[in-house]
Amino acid sequence: SQQGEEDPQALSIQEGENATMNCSYKTSINNLQWYRQNSGRGLVHLILIRSNEREKHSGRLRVTLDTSKKSSSLLITASRAADTASYFCATHRSGGGADGLTFGKGTHLIIQP
Amino acid sequence: DSGVTQTPKHLITATGQRVTLRCSPRSGDLSVYWYQQSLDQGLQFLIQYYNGEERAKGNILERFSAQQFPDLHSELNLSSLELGDSALYFCASSVSRNKETQYFGPGTRLLVL
Repeated sequence: SQQGEEDPQALSIQEGENATMNCSYKTSINNLQWYRQNSGRGLVHLILIRSNEREKHSGRLRVTLDTSKKSSSLLITASRAADTASYFCATHRSGGGADGLTFGKGTHLIIQP
Repeated sequence: DSGVTQTPKHLITATGQRVTLRCSPRSGDLSVYWYQQSLDQGLQFLIQYYNGEERAKGNILERFSAQQFPDLHSELNLSSLELGDSALYFCASSVSRNKETQYFGPGTRLLVL
């Protein structure tokens, strides 16, 4: 089942603008990760934020996590045409035992040149 | 390039048939995960192997099975194929069995006719 829900489903912006995508989830988590997928290809790991972290940066990416609201946001600053892709949030549930990631349905981002 | 390889890239087969998808994890990674991506179900975790042993199961059908070999490569076997099994199948790997970053392969696109 899909735990994460990304919002918006699709986003189209001009090159150079900032893009913000949101993700909500349902259960307690150990960590939340963001992945990028270019048109039916493999997923590229972008960033991981742990449940005890509130904000993390990596280059032009900024991720926030609000565990009280069970939500996360991904901000891409100064967008480029190459950022056009689908972005997924994925969570690892907290608690014992290993399991796979639970993915949201993704936000399709289009950067207009 | 994540370092995870998958073969074949594309597979076209008929209903009722059986196929085997292969995955080689990143050098040094002991965990292998299998995911299915379809238009209606999104990205779903199927199964995890750690160092040759089954570690966790997700939404894997009984018609599907997997194994991990001593050299750590993994195979996903899909049998009695149905039209609805058409999807992208991804393999991912991580260093250990903890909740951490997973690195995804390029996927195998399966089309069942």
